[in-house]
Amino acid sequence: DTGVSQDPRHKITKRGQNVTFRCDPISEHNRLYWYRQTLGQGPEFLTYFQNEAQLEKSRLLSDRFSAERPKGSFSTLEIQRTEQGDSAMYLCASSYARYVAGRYSGANVLTFGAGSRLTVL
Amino acid sequence: LAKTTQPISMDSYEGQEVNITCSHNNIATNDYITWYQQFPSQGPRFIIQGYKTKVTNEVASLFIPADRKSSTLSLPRVSLSDTAVYYCLVGAVQEGGKLIFGQGTELSVKP
Repeated sequence: DTGVSQDPRHKITKRGQNVTFRCDPISEHNRLYWYRQTLGQGPEFLTYFQNEAQLEKSRLLSDRFSAERPKGSFSTLEIQRTEQGDSAMYLCASSYARYVAGRYSGANVLTFGAGSRLTVL
Repeated sequence: LAKTTQPISMDSYEGQEVNITCSHNNIATNDYITWYQQFPSQGPRFIIQGYKTKVTNEVASLFIPADRKSSTLSLPRVSLSDTAVYYCLVGAVQEGGKLIFGQGTELSVKP
């Protein structure tokens, strides 16, 4: 396994266009996260999946953003009608949440991909 | 979710030991403390994680006092390649693991 892969690494688009990013997590990981990061700031949580179910979505995520994880494998993050404020690094991460005795427990260690940098002109 | 506070920046010289302290006064019983390192234009990379007392790996040590309201990341004998942003996070898988990143500590190692 080569870790978390993201594609494309760089995307330049014009305002108003739609863009889609893909993330391939570590194969045995059951959780997948999307974060967004702008220059000088820490990564900002966007959404996460437990297998194929999207369990949480940030209030900061407008309805122009949508994420999917069909069959609990790879995930896509689509941004519709891009705005200049969407310019950022989009980070994907995955982790394995251990389920024991009817509950998830333990630490949560995220493995991040290299990110997809979006520039909206 | 517990909030963390850490210095915005630190300077050091090659060969020195660097200690970065993070405060997390509202840490919950289930929470673990995790530190990540991030280089420019790369995703954060896991460094070390702990629950209490001391944890050591080949990269760093993590010191956690008994009350767990703070933690200290210790980097022994830093080199120029340790120049990066270091993030302290607290959380647990039960909460969905929505790890909240702060601004982190920008460590600059000088020759």
